[in-house]
Amino acid sequence: DTEVTQTPKHLVMGMTNKKSLKCEQHMGHRAMYWYKQKAKKPPELMFVYSYEKLSINESVPSRFSPECPNSSLLNLHLHALQPEDSALYLCASSHRLVENEKLFFGSGTQLSVL
Amino acid sequence: DAKTTQPPSMDCAEGRAANLPCNHSTISGNEYVYWYRQIHSQGPQYIIHGLKNNETNEMASLIITEDRKSSTLIRPHATLRDTAVYYCIAGGATNKLIFGTGTLLAVQP
Repeated sequence: DTEVTQTPKHLVMGMTNKKSLKCEQHMGHRAMYWYKQKAKKPPELMFVYSYEKLSINESVPSRFSPECPNSSLLNLHLHALQPEDSALYLCASSHRLVENEKLFFGSGTQLSVL
Repeated sequence: DAKTTQPPSMDCAEGRAANLPCNHSTISGNEYVYWYRQIHSQGPQYIIHGLKNNETNEMASLIITEDRKSSTLIRPHATLRDTAVYYCIAGGATNKLIFGTGTLLAVQP
């Protein structure tokens, strides 16, 4: 199994809603990542987890709250989002958080904030 | 992480080799060069990476200049399914990959 699975594929939410994005991998990877991608732009790194601990937070607003409950699962909790947060949210994983590792990406969750 | 510069778009005829250039003149000695591609509506897909030597795998070849300031990704015998945005990334000490703007490769029939 070389897949990173993201659910849901599409999500529409209001600015007062609370929702969560889910990401799962069963490759035994111990580093997991969240990226945000606006239309026609490159992916932007948001968070990195290594061995279930937050390792990198790229100054992301607190309305985005990541969680890594176990080595296979990564969540992104969303609360009080703004319309400009509408984007494709990509999850990725790698064997370890070191150089010379390739990232495996999921297909993403397309989020629309109304 | 070193900044990379790629042409915004390129065309390639189906069946011909696609040669995608990348400049990374500020790359440091311990930074790898990675290539990913993103087909429309999908997540990025790893292609290849290298440090100093040229590399080849089942997807592509990576040619890195001796001074490491530039590289070329070669996708032999391009097909219509190779139409995608190709990202060249010069990686830092951790696997914190910062994507640049990439090259949109359009493979023409």
